[in-house]
Amino acid sequence: AQTVTQSQPEMSVQEAETVTLSCTYDTSESDYYLFWYKQPPSRQMILVIRQEAYKQQNATENRFSVNFQKAAKSFSLKISDSQLGDAAMYFCAYRIQGGSEKLVFGKGTKLTVNP
Amino acid sequence: EAGVTQFPSHSVIEKGQTVTLRCDPISGHDNLYWYRRVMGKEIKFLLHFVKESKQDESGMPNNRFLAERTGGTYSTLKVQPAELEDSGVYFCASSPWGSYSPLHFGNGTRLTVT
Repeated sequence: AQTVTQSQPEMSVQEAETVTLSCTYDTSESDYYLFWYKQPPSRQMILVIRQEAYKQQNATENRFSVNFQKAAKSFSLKISDSQLGDAAMYFCAYRIQGGSEKLVFGKGTKLTVNP
Repeated sequence: EAGVTQFPSHSVIEKGQTVTLRCDPISGHDNLYWYRRVMGKEIKFLLHFVKESKQDESGMPNNRFLAERTGGTYSTLKVQPAELEDSGVYFCASSPWGSYSPLHFGNGTRLTVT
């Protein structure tokens, strides 16, 4: 079965500090994409960062970076210099290349940023 | 550009009633998806339209759920009759053609069946 596991239901971080959200997934496919989505309270879910499975280099978007370990099927998200606006639910997801292109999501991690 | 819009934002209905959710994707986006999140669980895929055609409806829970996308523009998701377990947040997302295109999500419709 294709699954995504986010083992941390809740996390908290002090403003300006660094936090890492964990994600593992299970798929037998070789070509796929990995994503982190963020949903602030009462707001739309937006894409934070994405990674193609065939790329070894970890994706980076400003203060957000990933640690992609394909053999271990691990895809953690690191947020540096955390800001109050980073408080949100974070969902890890993957999508197989081709096919129906549906996203498979984890249960999410609720991140609190403390001032 | 306008984002993905969903109506209503909240809906409270009684078991056995009918509810219709609507999604207006971003103009020009061929792909339209419906997802659902039951409280405390994963966001689950329901179905995928490419224009007006159902590309994949493997996630639809049962025949009480009917999705349409007439003319390839907006989509509706009807639940008839609603059951308690249908409660959750229903998300719509759209994207242009191409498997690497990121999804744009709506705010979701929170459905409560009492």
